[in-house]
Amino acid sequence: QSVLTQPPSVSGAPGQRVTISCIGSNSNIGAAYDVHWYQQLPGTAPRLLIYGDTNRPSGVPDRFSGSKSGTSASLAITGLQAEDEADYYCQSYDSSLRGSIFGGGTKLTVL
Amino acid sequence: QVQLQESGPGLVEPSETLSLTCTVSGGSITTSYWNWIRQPAGRGLEWIGRVYPSGSTSYNPSLKSRVTLSLDTSKSQFSLKLTSVTAADTAVYYCARAPLDKLHKFESWGQGTLVTVSS
Repeated sequence: QSVLTQPPSVSGAPGQRVTISCIGSNSNIGAAYDVHWYQQLPGTAPRLLIYGDTNRPSGVPDRFSGSKSGTSASLAITGLQAEDEADYYCQSYDSSLRGSIFGGGTKLTVL
Repeated sequence: QVQLQESGPGLVEPSETLSLTCTVSGGSITTSYWNWIRQPAGRGLEWIGRVYPSGSTSYNPSLKSRVTLSLDTSKSQFSLKLTSVTAADTAVYYCARAPLDKLHKFESWGQGTLVTVSS
């Protein structure tokens, strides 16, 4: 059971918008620690998608955006494309555990 | 562009020690934090620990009693040792780099190496 809670799966049709939630607590997201998001395509290593809650590394399309409020964060993907089908993970730091923590991951299916 | 490559045995016997090395190229090993992360088949990511440029370390409390990380700057490598392994340690192991100003931001990842614990 992960410290950060994500829905196991989400889905959407091409062109639609989907959001993935990441629910934490006052010892991680609620304590203002950065939230990062990773995309893992099938059979590959994770790739940094969003860092510092809302920032995109160079090369990441602006269809991907991150937000944070209170003890939760969200990843939004607009204009869904077939190539977006992947697993998505949120990550932060937990002061009680004194280490990096990941969400359980969300599988995005493009219908 | 920093690149990372994991190496080590793909098969380890139960109760033995798992040893992996990550080789860093395209950048200095002294200007980042270096991490190990693992992923059992079909499951999520688990942070194992971090080694600092100074050689000091930080570990996941759930694995701390069995993990040792180290840094070899002369070879641009850092290493993972996990003792007393069981089938539950079977996973793809990734090494990852975090910048000095964001030690929990995993910017670059190796391709991963599968380690199976079995006799």
